[in-house]
Amino acid sequence: SAVISQKPSRDICQRGTSLTIQCQVDSQVTMMFWYRQQPGQSLTLIATANQGSEATYESGFVIDKFPISRPNLTFSTLTVSNMSPEDSSIYLCSAATGTSSGYGYTFGSGTRLTVV
Amino acid sequence: SQQGEEDPQALSIQEGENATMNCSYKTSINNLQWYRQNSGRGLVHLILIRSNEREKHSGRLRVTLDTSKKSSSLLITASRAADTASYFCATDVWGGSNYKLTFGKGTLLTVNP
Repeated sequence: SAVISQKPSRDICQRGTSLTIQCQVDSQVTMMFWYRQQPGQSLTLIATANQGSEATYESGFVIDKFPISRPNLTFSTLTVSNMSPEDSSIYLCSAATGTSSGYGYTFGSGTRLTVV
Repeated sequence: SQQGEEDPQALSIQEGENATMNCSYKTSINNLQWYRQNSGRGLVHLILIRSNEREKHSGRLRVTLDTSKKSSSLLITASRAADTASYFCATDVWGGSNYKLTFGKGTLLTVNP
């Protein structure tokens, strides 16, 4: 299965600033995803990062707040813009690789963001 | 939106005991997966069970799936302190352009030495 390097692993940011999170996959993957995990909660899908086209956002998430880039099949970034303390969460990227059983999903190690 | 609901939300057992976690979901699925997360880190894929399978084993893990009840269970046998983590079920619905995982709320398992 694919291996994902995600960075930074953690950051403390001032409100009103932006943070860009990067994920590098060690092989080409068709689909990449970005999730948010608020403290003590489960994972919520932010968007699907599509190579060569705009990301597909889930309800409640907008491009202006969470712009995503997917310049090629091995790399994606998520920017958390104009941050507020409510954005303090763990952000995880994921890649899906096709198998005969369906899709296998690999996750990055997460970025723990604290906004002060 | 959350697809799965796990219960219990938290489970505390002694080393050597078995741990059972349950998951229910709402819509039709292609497969169901279980993941483990240690201390808010990245998720580790444990096991995938397809919608036409009823039971699957992997080492000390046993997963069952009942599509008529839209439920699944994860059994960890002979638990160890290292099994302490949060466990999530996730449903994979795919077809056309709609490929994504939807996660349940998770069960926090604590295995006491």
